[in-house]
Amino acid sequence: DSGVTQTPKHLITATGQRVTLRCSPRSGDLSVYWYQQSLDQGLQFLIQYYNGEERAKGNILERFSAQQFPDLHSELNLSSLELGDSALYFCASSVEDRTNSPLHFGNGTRLTVT
Amino acid sequence: GNSVTQMEGPVTLSEEAFLTINCTYTATGYPSLFWYVQYPGEGLQLLLKATKADDKGSNKGFEATYRKETTSFHLEKGSVQVSDSAVYFCALSDIRGSTLGRLYFGRGTQLTVWP
Repeated sequence: DSGVTQTPKHLITATGQRVTLRCSPRSGDLSVYWYQQSLDQGLQFLIQYYNGEERAKGNILERFSAQQFPDLHSELNLSSLELGDSALYFCASSVEDRTNSPLHFGNGTRLTVT
Repeated sequence: GNSVTQMEGPVTLSEEAFLTINCTYTATGYPSLFWYVQYPGEGLQLLLKATKADDKGSNKGFEATYRKETTSFHLEKGSVQVSDSAVYFCALSDIRGSTLGRLYFGRGTQLTVWP
């Protein structure tokens, strides 16, 4: 058990809809990362937060947004969903935002857009 | 830019066989290198890491050596077990600028070990 909790585990929704994915980081970890895993793109970095502030952005679409709250949990909001957004979304956390700090991954939320 | 290339899978081995999964990288700075493993239905777990050239990371019988001259970080295990069946990801983390802490992953290599 990594200590990172993601909810829900599975999400099935229709095109055009909006969903929210939630992540609780490991106790004591200040940094949260969101990754998207799909068969064609592999693991793609979306966004990183550190202690409530956005730290880095990757290949995150404008339809997607995220935030980290004062209690350090994070939410990833996906709107105007398209079929191509179907993927496994991982949250990871680390103690700090430095190179050598290992990431601890949750088990992911599997999103299916129909 | 930063990128990781690892060997295409799937890799299928018999129990007790020798394993090598190749990984090469491109980085603009002085990266740290990692191997993560993903078991079915789970998130990624850190397997081992190396933070500077010539460092050897090791864990659970797996090893990888950070080779700056060949920009490589190949994963090896002398005798695989059925329980090693999983997807293995090579990754790097660059020290520079806004990419601090962010990992760049390879595409993953599926390993299946038969008894």
